[in-house]
Amino acid sequence: EDQVTQSPEALRLQEGESSSLNCSYTVSGLRGLFWYRQDPGKGPEFLFTLYSAGEEKEKERLKATLTKKESFLHITAPKPEDSATYLCAVLDSGSRLTFGEGTQLTVNP
Amino acid sequence: KAGVTQTPRYLIKTRGQQVTLSCSPISGHRSVSWYQQTPGQGLQFLFEYFSETQRNKGNFPGRFSGRQFSNSRSEMNVSTLELGDSALYLCASRLAGHTEAFFGQGTRLTVV
Repeated sequence: EDQVTQSPEALRLQEGESSSLNCSYTVSGLRGLFWYRQDPGKGPEFLFTLYSAGEEKEKERLKATLTKKESFLHITAPKPEDSATYLCAVLDSGSRLTFGEGTQLTVNP
Repeated sequence: KAGVTQTPRYLIKTRGQQVTLSCSPISGHRSVSWYQQTPGQGLQFLFEYFSETQRNKGNFPGRFSGRQFSNSRSEMNVSTLELGDSALYLCASRLAGHTEAFFGQGTRLTVV
């Protein structure tokens, strides 16, 4: 059974204070690893897809990286509007998408 | 380009009743998946439909069912509602041959 574990559960940063979120996974035949952002009461918003170890993707202040066992979401100089829950998910060879519990990020001004 | 549309956004039902939720995928997307999100369990996979056929099913009781129509719109039905069914129900659609799933805003179901 696929498993996704995210850490920390919650992270509080000051504006401009860079940090990283972790996503550890075990999956049967990785077809892709995804990062989503979710604001309260809304559906997850797609951020990145990573397909193979060594791959990196960037978008504004966010950078996602992938190894064979984990992925990191690096947040550089965050702003208060980056506050959200960040979800990691893996798609397996059977086309099943398994999510982690998420990291709740708060960025204080 | 319109995103995934879920209706209704909010529902309040009584224990024992049944409920039907609707999802219209992004135009051209034939894969529709449903998820249940609760504070304690996170996002749990319910089922996936592709071209009107259920392709995958999660570990939920038979009270949870779904279907997909020829226009790719999907419905999810929960019968004999229980208090524990209170959750945000999310629908996601994918383009055939692609891996990225795009989510709707969800339907917040409260069972009282």
